Amino acid sequence: QQQVKQSPQSLIVQKGGISIINCAYENTAFDYFPWYQQFPGKGPALLIAIRPDVSEKKEGRFTISFNKSAKQFSLHIMDSQPGDSATYFCAASLSGTYKYIFGTGTRLKVLA
Amino acid sequence: GAGVSQSPRYKVTKRGQDVALRCDPISGHVSLYWYRQALGQGPEFLTYFNYEAQQDKSGLPNDRFSAERPEGSISTLTIQRTEQRDSAMYRCASSFLGGSGTDTQYFGPGTRLTVL
Repeated sequence: QQQVKQSPQSLIVQKGGISIINCAYENTAFDYFPWYQQFPGKGPALLIAIRPDVSEKKEGRFTISFNKSAKQFSLHIMDSQPGDSATYFCAASLSGTYKYIFGTGTRLKVLA
Repeated sequence: GAGVSQSPRYKVTKRGQDVALRCDPISGHVSLYWYRQALGQGPEFLTYFNYEAQQDKSGLPNDRFSAERPEGSISTLTIQRTEQRDSAMYRCASSFLGGSGTDTQYFGPGTRLTVL
C-alpha cells in the first residue's frame, strides 16, 4: 500500500514529440506528488509537483495530470527536446510527513 | 550557489570493513535526509534529521547502520561490518524547513558504495 508504481521503465521519443510517464498509488493518505528529474552523475532535482486538490498543473513544457479517483498521476513533456533526456522519478508523501515514496524511475531518451 | 555535497563520491571497501559517508547540506537548511538507491530503483528513505535531532530512523535496514548530525549541519552515515548487499548509491538531501512533504528536498550527487 506504500508503493508508487511507475511506467514505462524506459521511453524513446522523437524530438518535438510528447513524452508521457505514468504513476499509480494505493494509499489515499498521500497528499503531495512531486516529480524529480535526474541527469547522469547528478542527484534528483525537483521538476514539478502537485497536490490532489487540483487536476492539472503546468509549468512551461511540463504538465502533471492528476486523477484522484483512479489514484493515478502522469507527467507530460510537450515538445520534448534532447536536453530532456534523463531519468524521471515520481514520488508521493504522506499527509503531514516529509517521507517520500519514490517510483522506480523512467529513463527517457529524446532523439535529435 | 553551493548545493548539497557528498564525499567520497565513490567508495570501494572489503566486506567486514566500516565505512563513513559524509553529507554537507545546503547552508541554513534545517532538515537532512539520507536515502539509499539501488540500481534501477528510486531512492529509498533511510533516516531524517531536524537540526541535530534524529527524528526518524525507521528506514535504516539494521543496527549496522547509524547516522549522526552533531552540530545540525554536516551529517555522517556509518555502516559497520559492511556486507555485499550494502552496495548501492547513498544519497543525502536537505530542505530549508522540515516536517512537511511540500518542503523541497535538494539531493546531493551521492556516494557509490561497492562492497567486495
